[in-house]
Amino acid sequence: DSGVTQTPKHLITATGQRVTLRCSPRSGDLSVYWYQQSLDQGLQFLIQYYNGEERAKGNILERFSAQQFPDLHSELNLSSLELGDSALYFCASSHGDSTGGGQYFGAGTRLSVL
Amino acid sequence: AQSVTQPDIHITVSEGASLELRCNYSYGATPYLFWYVQSPGQGLQLLLKYFSGDTLVQGIKGFEAEFKRSQSSFNLRKPSVHWSDAAEYFCAVGGISNFGNEKLTFGTGTRLTIIP
Repeated sequence: DSGVTQTPKHLITATGQRVTLRCSPRSGDLSVYWYQQSLDQGLQFLIQYYNGEERAKGNILERFSAQQFPDLHSELNLSSLELGDSALYFCASSHGDSTGGGQYFGAGTRLSVL
Repeated sequence: AQSVTQPDIHITVSEGASLELRCNYSYGATPYLFWYVQSPGQGLQLLLKYFSGDTLVQGIKGFEAEFKRSQSSFNLRKPSVHWSDAAEYFCAVGGISNFGNEKLTFGTGTRLTIIP
């Protein structure tokens, strides 16, 4: 168990809908990252938050947004969903200092857009 | 731009045999290198990481990896594989800032199959 919790485990929805994915980082971790894993694109970085503030952005679509709350949990919002958004979405967390330590991943949320 | 190449898409190894999974990276500064393992339907588990110091790093489950700067490689090894090692293995590279780990760039993964 990595200590990173993601809910829900599975989401099935229709095109055009909006969903919210939730992530609770490991205790004490300040940084949260979101990644998307799909068959055609592989594992891709979406966005990073550090202590409530956005720190880095990857190939995140404008239809997608995220935030990190004061209790450090994070949510990834996906709107106007398309079939191509079907993927596994991972959240990861790390300590958030310059000593490194690696990123620890949650079990992921599998999103199916029908 | 940073990148990771895992040249082997699929590797089949007999149980008890040795294993080496290849990883080459491109990174403009001092790289922080990682190996993750993903079992079917599961998340990514950190096997080991290299930040600095000894270029041979030990990880969990009996895995080790060697950082070779001259070859831009970080190959993963295990002397004797077990059937439970069957999974997808990902190499990743990233950096460090004052806010901790930066984004990870992953390779495309190597699927490991173990035969009796």
